[in-house]
Amino acid sequence: NAGVTQTPKFQVLKTGQSMTLQCAQDMNHNSMYWYRQDPGMGLRLIYYSASEGTTDKGEVPNGYNVSRLNKREFSLRLESAAPSQTSVYFCASSVYGVGRTGELFFGEGSRLTVL
Amino acid sequence: QQQVKQSPQSLIVQKGGISIINCAYENTAFDYFPWYQQFPGKGPALLIAIRPDVSEKKEGRFTISFNKSAKQFSLHIMDSQPGDSATYFCAAPRHTGNQFYFGTGTSLTVIP
Repeated sequence: NAGVTQTPKFQVLKTGQSMTLQCAQDMNHNSMYWYRQDPGMGLRLIYYSASEGTTDKGEVPNGYNVSRLNKREFSLRLESAAPSQTSVYFCASSVYGVGRTGELFFGEGSRLTVL
Repeated sequence: QQQVKQSPQSLIVQKGGISIINCAYENTAFDYFPWYQQFPGKGPALLIAIRPDVSEKKEGRFTISFNKSAKQFSLHIMDSQPGDSATYFCAAPRHTGNQFYFGTGTSLTVIP
């Protein structure tokens, strides 16, 4: 059982380049999330999708766009990468939001460096 | 505005000792308050969660204590083991109930 799969695991970009982080879950979950993790900042929510066909901004959405392609897949796009977007990005999913069980299932992360 | 304040930032404990990590939250939905555990190079994973209508929940060596009036909850790790060395995050649900505010994390090192 793969759970939440993120690609790529590592990526180096130059300032101004664009890229898309891919995420797929095989648990038939309704809600999906993108977080970034920075030292001393914890996990901050970028965007989330409560259900297929909906997306909403989180705490730090500027510079990012998302697409909920179908129930399984939720992608994060950086249109013009900046050094401030150097981070570890985590995709997560839950059955029906976080309030009912408190449980998010995380991928193993995508480590992005912007030069 | 930081919605969840977690302390300490780092913690070193001898094997067999008690590790205590604290979190304070502001305005949130009253659903589940979880603790997540993260090992290096891995994503966070749910360790234990508590509903706010109970004051304590214990699972093995891990206990959450919840103080609703003070808006605080804490994680206690009894008989700490080197394998418990990881980063721990608390989280509190936002008022919408579909998102979490995460704490800034506590790096725990258990010395053999």
